[in-house]
Amino acid sequence: AQTVTQSQPEMSVQEAETVTLSCTYDTSESNYYLFWYKQPPSRQMILVIRQEAYKQQNATENRFSVNFQKAAKSFSLKISDSQLGDTAMYFCAYTTSGTYKYIFGTGTRLKVLA
Amino acid sequence: GAGVSQSPSNKVTEKGKDVELRCDPISGHTALYWYRQSLGQGLEFLIYFQGNSAPDKSGLPSDRFSAERTGGSVSTLTIQRTQQEDSAVYLCASSPTWTHYEQYFGPGTRLTVT
Repeated sequence: AQTVTQSQPEMSVQEAETVTLSCTYDTSESNYYLFWYKQPPSRQMILVIRQEAYKQQNATENRFSVNFQKAAKSFSLKISDSQLGDTAMYFCAYTTSGTYKYIFGTGTRLKVLA
Repeated sequence: GAGVSQSPSNKVTEKGKDVELRCDPISGHTALYWYRQSLGQGLEFLIYFQGNSAPDKSGLPSDRFSAERTGGSVSTLTIQRTQQEDSAVYLCASSPTWTHYEQYFGPGTRLTVT
């Protein structure tokens, strides 16, 4: 069965520091997509970054980057120069080509400390 | 443009009562999802609509749950005879098509059953 695991329920980081959130997944598919979503206290989930499995290059969006290790089935999110506004729940998610179903991890609550 | 909206933002109801939760997707989005987010859990898929096709109801937890989507736009999730275990945040998401691979989420409805 396809699963997504986030093993860090809570994390904290000092403002301006770097933090890495972990995500592992299990799949036998070869063509799939991975996502990191952010859910601030307002509850509005927004897409942070996405990675296509067929791309070897790690995705980057400003201060957010991923370390995609396909063989290890690992998809970690690195947040550089953390800001107070990064405080949120972060969800890792997975879907495969040809399906509309997404599988979400249980989330990591990140707190950025001033 | 306007994002996905949901109403009400919060709903408190007594056990045994029926509730209706509403979702207005982004205009033109043909795919619409409902998820349930319980405390400390990831997102649990409930139901999926795509255009005029029959919805995928495979995630609905019991026959007390139903959903409809009128005119390919607004969707209503109905929970009959609510139970305390129904307490959760109900999230709606839409996407241009199911192959778009990115979902746009609403702010959710927090349902509390007393």
